[in-house]
Amino acid sequence: QLQVQESGPRLVKPSETLSLICTVSGDGGSFSSNNYYWGWIRQSPGRGLEWIGSINYGGNIYYDPSLKSRVTISVDRPKNQFSLKVNSMTAADTAVYFCARQSAVIGHYYFDYWGQGTLVTVSS
Amino acid sequence: DFQMTQSPSSVSASVGDRVTITCRASQPISTYLVWYQQKPGKAPNLLIYTASTLYSGVPSRFSGSGSGTDFTLTISSLQPEDSATYYCQQANTFPPLKFGGGTKVEIK
Repeated sequence: QLQVQESGPRLVKPSETLSLICTVSGDGGSFSSNNYYWGWIRQSPGRGLEWIGSINYGGNIYYDPSLKSRVTISVDRPKNQFSLKVNSMTAADTAVYFCARQSAVIGHYYFDYWGQGTLVTVSS
Repeated sequence: DFQMTQSPSSVSASVGDRVTITCRASQPISTYLVWYQQKPGKAPNLLIYTASTLYSGVPSRFSGSGSGTDFTLTISSLQPEDSATYYCQQANTFPPLKFGGGTKVEIK
């Protein structure tokens, strides 16, 4: 059974950089498949679910335009991990951050396996 | 700017009732619409994709319909375990991916 799991600090100071890692296990090879992307989504009370960006094994990366200037997503193939960095964090970035597997099939861009989510609070 | 709009924002219904949630896309998206169910403190769960295809393991009381810009999610006979927030997501174009604002379903 595929599992995705977020890890990283839960508290970030204003203006600092958030770094999260998502570890994929039990995937039966889907991590390296061209049929999938691996995405980051966040959820805050005021803004609902917000797609941040996605990456595939080959390193193709897509970001939401509203966050693109502050976000970096990368992949660590040997470790079956992908990561998220968000710089210049503010209170508005306080949210639950999820990682998830995303179908890469045209018209089927859905997320079918999600991590449990990690609450990141921005506070001094 | 592409938008997904859900209505109502919340609905309260009794066990056994039929519940319908609407999602409207600001541009046509064919049938490339996804529905998720999210319970408090949990990640969203995939319910329906391509507007009407039930994901594996999803009870048959859930159904979806629509195409173009207007879509509906229907729970034919509401059960206590269906109390959750439901989100739509456009799956037509990538990037970006956009979610609706959510509809909270409560049991009376």
